[in-house]
Amino acid sequence: EPEVTQTPSHQVTQMGQEVILRCVPISNHLYFYWYRQILGQKVEFLVSFYNNEISEKSEIFDDQFSVERPDGSNFTLKIRSTKLEDSAMYFCASSEGQDLYNEQFFGPGTRLTVL
Amino acid sequence: KQEVTQIPAALSVPEGENLVLNCSFTDSAIYNLQWFRQDPGKGLTSLLLIQSSQREQTSGRLNASLDKSSGRSTLYIAASQPGDSATYLCAGAVDGQNFVFGPGTRLSVLP
Repeated sequence: EPEVTQTPSHQVTQMGQEVILRCVPISNHLYFYWYRQILGQKVEFLVSFYNNEISEKSEIFDDQFSVERPDGSNFTLKIRSTKLEDSAMYFCASSEGQDLYNEQFFGPGTRLTVL
Repeated sequence: KQEVTQIPAALSVPEGENLVLNCSFTDSAIYNLQWFRQDPGKGLTSLLLIQSSQREQTSGRLNASLDKSSGRSTLYIAASQPGDSATYLCAGAVDGQNFVFGPGTRLSVLP
């Protein structure tokens, strides 16, 4: 069964460093998303992406964050200068069709630890 | 802004019991609603999707319903098993916002 994959599973970085989290969405899906979950808190929407541009973004997704689809399969989230409060589980998701109506499939997540 | 609550926050039941998890949205204009399962330290597994034109969905021992007039959804788990132990999250999409998640219900099914 097709699934969303994410790498790495765990990333440890120093505050101020740049990190890139990678995702491979399900191959025939057109909408891509990033969410984060700070330990013990709710899953929060960060950004949605369609047709090589951002569809929507939340207040969390500030100038330190960027997303990209560098090739036909990968979808990346970049954090330019990590802060301690960026430590969280980051989930990628994808859906086949229009975001509000279609089932979203989530990857296993990348645990980001900022020291 | 859409807010989602889930009741109870935690639940511990003996194996074999039927149980109901509740999810409530402040804005009842929901396009779709998904229930997820999350095991500790793991990702989100989609359980059921209820689209805006639907009222309920069933998969095996799971049944989810959506009352759009009240903005409430319930997840019914029949004949619970220890393997059902996990956190159950509901999430909904409303116009102008993407998926908003509830805080989850932590379920423990005791053998």
